[in-house]
Amino acid sequence: QLQLQESGPGLVKPSETLSLTCAVSGASISSSGYYWGWIRQPPGKGLEWIGNIYYSGSTNYNPSLKSRVTISVDTSKNQFSLKLNSVTAADTAVYYCTRRVESTSNRDCWGQGTLITVSS
Amino acid sequence: QSALTQPASVSGSPGQSITISCTGTSSDVGGYKYVSWYQQHPGKAPKLMIYDVSDRPSGVSNRLSGSKSGNTASLTISGLQAEDEAEYYCSSYTSSSTWVFGGGTKLTVL
Repeated sequence: QLQLQESGPGLVKPSETLSLTCAVSGASISSSGYYWGWIRQPPGKGLEWIGNIYYSGSTNYNPSLKSRVTISVDTSKNQFSLKLNSVTAADTAVYYCTRRVESTSNRDCWGQGTLITVSS
Repeated sequence: QSALTQPASVSGSPGQSITISCTGTSSDVGGYKYVSWYQQHPGKAPKLMIYDVSDRPSGVSNRLSGSKSGNTASLTISGLQAEDEAEYYCSSYTSSSTWVFGGGTKLTVL
């Protein structure tokens, strides 16, 4: 059974880099046919797509975040990561990692989410 | 990219049917079959309810159905039940190879 589990620092200072990892269990991140991605949700607000990565390393990012975002895959650890630099209070949110089936909108698995607060 | 437009709230009585709309443009909703719907209960992760406009994942009630006409997608829930009360979000693929969400709709079961 596929499971995704986010991990991160919980609290990040303004202007620093937010780093999150999503551990994948029950499936190989190296398998073709799936995109691995990140979505966030500020407290009390809606969902925002951040970006995704294919097992080959090909990435797509939200244009509004593209200059600050990097998503990467670590096949040896079966996990993928998100880095968001120069964070501000506006980046405070619950961050979810997800899996989406290629050539569909079937985002079939979500992590439980992790709250990241940006504050000094 | 602009968020898709959803009504802020809808409501219905148990047993009734409701429809939530999701309006985009020809560059997203209108241009692709890649529209999905998510249900989110407070404090929980979103759950996929409909994908590719009208397909239901295994385990999702057949009381839910999806459709699309032009630049507007719709989610219909029939036979409303108390457990359906939640926030619902639509999402679409875009011509920029990105994804966009709607602002969310709060469904209240009266």
